[in-house]
Amino acid sequence: NAGVMQNPRHLVRRRGQEARLRCSPMKGHSHVYWYRQLPEEGLKFMVYLQKENIIDESGMPKERFSAEFPKEGPSILRIQQVVRGDSAAYFCASSQRGGNTEAFFGQGTRLTVV
Amino acid sequence: QQQVKQSPQSLIVQKGGISIINCAYENTAFDYFPWYQQFPGKGPALLIAIRPDVSEKKEGRFTISFNKSAKQFSLHIMDSQPGDSATYFCAAASQGGSEKLVFGKGTKLTVNP
Repeated sequence: NAGVMQNPRHLVRRRGQEARLRCSPMKGHSHVYWYRQLPEEGLKFMVYLQKENIIDESGMPKERFSAEFPKEGPSILRIQQVVRGDSAAYFCASSQRGGNTEAFFGQGTRLTVV
Repeated sequence: QQQVKQSPQSLIVQKGGISIINCAYENTAFDYFPWYQQFPGKGPALLIAIRPDVSEKKEGRFTISFNKSAKQFSLHIMDSQPGDSATYFCAAASQGGSEKLVFGKGTKLTVNP
């Protein structure tokens, strides 16, 4: 899974600031999924994107969270006005074709809100 | 609503023993069942996966057993090694729709030398 690059690996934000998490999928992959992992919990689906399109955002909180996957550049998960409850590990996965079959995960971004 | 239930939460096994982790699902539309291995500070890595047209799949020391009627599947790690110590997650997805993965809460496996 080293092929999916996420940065930064660690991010500290004060309450009220914005957090921007980046994900570069594996070469040749045009499908990106974002998941959130709370301590001692499994991963929870947030959003599924293809280039320039949001396919499924049913797991995204309705406010403060947004995601994009532009034609050029990495996928971005943006969290505005962060709160302590946003502290978690955020993982990105990519696949070559539609579906989480054969999806590869990045190493994650660990967000800490202080 | 937790759609995939995983047990046990933690498991301690002696080197050379068999580790068994169980999962149960509710959504009959699920038709893809992967297992992921995660080491501390790392992302999940796909270990082995099964589809409901077979009841068992084996890859090396890792075996998935699948019971469609009971809506259960399990991971067996034969000849467990200390290097297998990690957290294991089962997951499920449906080929229809966005095929997002629904994860269990994980099992922390410790293999003692």
